[in-house]
Order: sequence, then C-alpha cells, then structure tokens
Amino acid sequence: QLQLQESGPGLVKPSETLSLTCTVSGGSVSRSRYYWGWIRQAPGKGLEWIGTIYYIGRTYYNSSLKSRVTISVDTSNNQFSLKLSSVTAADTAVYFCARYSSASGGLSYFDYWGQGTLVTVSS
Amino acid sequence: AIQMTQSPSSLSASVGDRVTITCRASQGIRNDLGWYQQKPGKAPEVLIYGASSLQSGVPSRFSGSGSGTDFTLTISSLQPEDFATYYCLQDYDYPWTFGQGTKVEIK
Repeated sequence: QLQLQESGPGLVKPSETLSLTCTVSGGSVSRSRYYWGWIRQAPGKGLEWIGTIYYIGRTYYNSSLKSRVTISVDTSNNQFSLKLSSVTAADTAVYFCARYSSASGGLSYFDYWGQGTLVTVSS
Repeated sequence: AIQMTQSPSSLSASVGDRVTITCRASQGIRNDLGWYQQKPGKAPEVLIYGASSLQSGVPSRFSGSGSGTDFTLTISSLQPEDFATYYCLQDYDYPWTFGQGTKVEIK
C-alpha cells in the first residue's frame, strides 16, 4: 500500500523559506505514469494546487506562486520536496503531498495523499 | 487560469436524499475533471475522475457527469458517512484549479 508522509517545520518566520519533504513508501517516485504534487489548504478555506513534478524533474507550478515555489525530487531517497520562499501569514496552511496517476483520455487524478502538515507563518 | 465555479457552497440534506453538486469551468476542459471528498481534519479522497469514472472502492451511489464546461456530482441516496466537503478539480490546463467546495451538512 502506497503511503506518503509530509515532514518539516511547523513554524516558519515571515520572509523566510518554507521547506517540506514528502517521503513515499510502498512505491517508487521513479515509476512512469505517476506525478507528485503539493496542495495546500488555508485554515477554513478551500484547496489550492501548488505544483507537480515528474520524476525526471519536469515541474509545473501554480502561476500565482511560481516566482516563490520550487519542487524537486530525490529518487535515491524516494522523496520529493517543496520550497516556498518569502513566506507571509497568507502562506499559513495545511500542506498536502499527493500522487497523481496519469492516464490518457482525461483519466488522471490524485489517488494517494499524505495526511497533511500544518505550517504556520509567524514571528 | 481556468476558473471553476462550484455550487452550491453549502447545502443541508437528510439521509436518503438525492444531492447534486455542480461545477462550471470558465472554458472547455473536455472531461479532465475530478471530484474529491474531504472530511474534517483529513486529506481529500478521489470519488470520480475523468468526469464520470468511479474510483475503485467508492460506493455506486456516487456518480459524475458532464463534459466541456458543465459537470455534476450526484449522490443518489445520501448516507451518514457522506456528510463532508466536496471539491471539483480541473487538470486540463495549468494551473490546475479547484472549485470553492460544497459543504454537505445534516438537515
């Protein structure tokens, strides 16, 4: 059974960089057909897609965050990571990592999710 | 960016009711749409992908329809475990965008 687990600091100071890692177990981040993504949810709000990466390093970012976000993959440790720079209180959210199963004909979706981790931006 | 307008934002319904949630895309997205259910404090779970394909293990009372710009999630007979928030997600074009969510509450 595939499992994803987010890890990283729960508290980040304004203007600093938020860094999270998603460790994948029960499957490989290097398998073709699967992408790996980050989604966040501010307290009491809806879901926001942050970005997605393919194991060869191809990345896709939300344009609203593009200048501040970097997603990378570490195939040797079966992990992928999120870095969000110059954070403000508006970046306070639960951050989820997830696997995106890709297939032709629109038959693609996020099928496995981490439990989510709350990151608070505060001094 | 493609805007996903989801409605209603909330609804109250009774066990056994038929519930319909809609998502409208600001431009055509073929059938590149999924429906996700989220319960408080939990990660979302996919119910429907490709607009109408039922994810394995999801009860058949859930169904999805639509193509292009207008999509519907239907729960044919609401069960106690279905009280949750539902989101649509378009993955047709970047940036992928979610609808605002529909909270289904107990009447």
